[in-house]
Amino acid sequence: GAVVSQHPSRVICKSGTSVKIECRSLDFQATTMFWYRQFPKQSLMLMATSNEGSKATYEQGVEKDKFLINHASLTLSTLTVTSAHPEDSSFYICSAGVGMETQYFGPGTRLLVL
Amino acid sequence: DAKTTQPNSMESNEEEPVHLPCNHSTISGTDYIHWYRQLPSQGPEYVIHGLTSNVNNRMASLAIAEDRKSSTLILHRATLRDAAVYYCILSLSSGSARQLTFGSGTQLTVLP
Repeated sequence: GAVVSQHPSRVICKSGTSVKIECRSLDFQATTMFWYRQFPKQSLMLMATSNEGSKATYEQGVEKDKFLINHASLTLSTLTVTSAHPEDSSFYICSAGVGMETQYFGPGTRLLVL
Repeated sequence: DAKTTQPNSMESNEEEPVHLPCNHSTISGTDYIHWYRQLPSQGPEYVIHGLTSNVNNRMASLAIAEDRKSSTLILHRATLRDAAVYYCILSLSSGSARQLTFGSGTQLTVLP
């Protein structure tokens, strides 16, 4: 099946710093990628939809200036958490659409902001 | 998006079949039924999807009711590695990748 990777797998940073998370589709091209956030013992919450070559579409309540998304190529989307604070600590997961019906998910990035 | 309802948790014995139910009474004619599962500290994994007919793949089978208001994911022989949260999701196929809205899912525990 299709493979999606994320880097880094986990990151610890100080409050106020910015963190970039990469999402790559390794064996296919993805015009659309999605970013999710998951807090402990909760389900995944969609943050934004990332389209190659255009601006991302953010879900209600997600600050676009805080969570910067760039989808510069058909195999790479990045999520930058700017000025991270402890409440941003979470499990961030990306996915890429394959065809029209199936999404493949990355392994996730665990962010801890101290 | 139409909503799905799943039991919070289920238990199964190892090497026995597991039937995970999902109700989606407000499903529309063009909604696909997707199943994903998530192991602890991992991203979700695609399991199976279907529209009207029952579907089989190497991981599982999907049985869809004739009125499409419910479906059942069938794991034919549960293993300890099948312990995960299973999500039943409806998604409209609209010509481009469609976002998925995750509910709370069913936590499957497999007993040795």
